[in-house]
Amino acid sequence: AQSVTQLGSHVSVSEGALVLLRCNYSSSVPPYLFWYVQYPNQGLQLLLKYTSAATLVKGINGFEAEFKKSETSFHLTKPSAHMSDAAEYFCAVSDDRTGGTSYGKLTFGQGTILTVHP
Amino acid sequence: EAGVAQSPRYKIIEKRQSVAFWCNPISGHATLYWYQQILGQGPKLLIQFQNNGVVDDSQLPKDRFSAERLKGVDSTLKIQPAKLEDSAVYLCASSLVPAGQSGKNIQYFGAGTRLSVL
Repeated sequence: AQSVTQLGSHVSVSEGALVLLRCNYSSSVPPYLFWYVQYPNQGLQLLLKYTSAATLVKGINGFEAEFKKSETSFHLTKPSAHMSDAAEYFCAVSDDRTGGTSYGKLTFGQGTILTVHP
Repeated sequence: EAGVAQSPRYKIIEKRQSVAFWCNPISGHATLYWYQQILGQGPKLLIQFQNNGVVDDSQLPKDRFSAERLKGVDSTLKIQPAKLEDSAVYLCASSLVPAGQSGKNIQYFGAGTRLSVL
């Protein structure tokens, strides 16, 4: 069974500082990995996805993530935090493959709340 | 392009009452998902439809939850009777690529329905 662990339920940074949100996965086959962001009272919005092409993935709003198979990690980073980045971030994994028994189901981590201080 | 629409946005009921949520996916999206997001946790898949057929309902508490997707477009999720532990946000998502063909498919989420059971 696949699973995702997000280290740190709360992360606090100053505006302009580096953002690092950690995600480790467990999957029996090479996975597809996603980062979603959720603003208060809104649905989830896709930030970026890894689908076995380039290991460094660039997303929207200046975020990027690097897939490291040896560490089973997919950490999310942004060089300089902005106040508008304050939200909850979810890492998710899918191991759907053509002809497999999975159906594109996403398994989410428990989320990390990012707070940005002025 | 219109996003995933959900209604109502908020619902407050007493335990043992029934409640229904409605979802209208993005036009042309074959796959529809219902997730339950309990406070402090990541979304958990309840049921997944491919057109109007169920492909995964393994996490749906079938003694009290039911869902349908008539005509392969809109969907309703019902809880009867509700319990205190059903208090959560119910998220609907849809994706263009049919389930089982690619785990790369992006799921687009609605804003959710926040249910409070008193």
